[in-house]
Amino acid sequence: GDSVTQMEGPVTLSEEAFLTINCTYTATGYPSLFWYVQYPGEGLQLLLKATKADDKGSNKGFEATYRKETTSFHLEKGSVQVSDSAVYFCALIPFSGAGSYQLTFGKGTKLSVIP
Amino acid sequence: EAGVVQSPRYKIIEKKQPVAFWCNPISGHNTLYWYRQNLGQGPELLIRYENEEAVDDSQLPKDRFSAERLKGVDSTLKIQPAELGDSAVYLCASSTGTGNNEQFFGPGTRLTVL
Repeated sequence: GDSVTQMEGPVTLSEEAFLTINCTYTATGYPSLFWYVQYPGEGLQLLLKATKADDKGSNKGFEATYRKETTSFHLEKGSVQVSDSAVYFCALIPFSGAGSYQLTFGKGTKLSVIP
Repeated sequence: EAGVVQSPRYKIIEKKQPVAFWCNPISGHNTLYWYRQNLGQGPELLIRYENEEAVDDSQLPKDRFSAERLKGVDSTLKIQPAELGDSAVYLCASSTGTGNNEQFFGPGTRLTVL
């Protein structure tokens, strides 16, 4: 079945450091890929998405590029802020057919940014 | 515009007791999802509704879990009786459709079964 693997956390960075959170996936065909973020005490929010190979999703300074050759969708940000402290989830939706609505999530990576 | 509303936010019960969670989706969203998120894990789908119809409940443990979405708006998820392993965060999400349509999540209900 489809699956998502994220780097394990927690990740602790100093403010203005560069962030990479690795995400790889296993899926048939061409899934759509997502990053969700969960701030403390809040629900998951869509951060960015990409629906086909080589697409780059971006939002709030975060970026991720859909790499089909490496089945990856790594999340990056050039300069993190304390307010970026949250749990980040990589997820996919299969391209079509049965289950094409169903989000499959990774386990999440907790990011803590210290001043 | 109001987001997905869930209540209660927290619930502590003893095992074998019943419990219910309520969700009010974003207005106009005909698709509603219930997820369970165990500690340290990503959410896993329990059931999906299209309007009032449960179109996928294949991952809902039907011996003790039930759900309903009367009138195709609000939804209730029930557990009876609860077991220790049911301790988790129960998330509700809604969207305007399926496929790549963004799912909007509520804050969740954290259930602790003692």
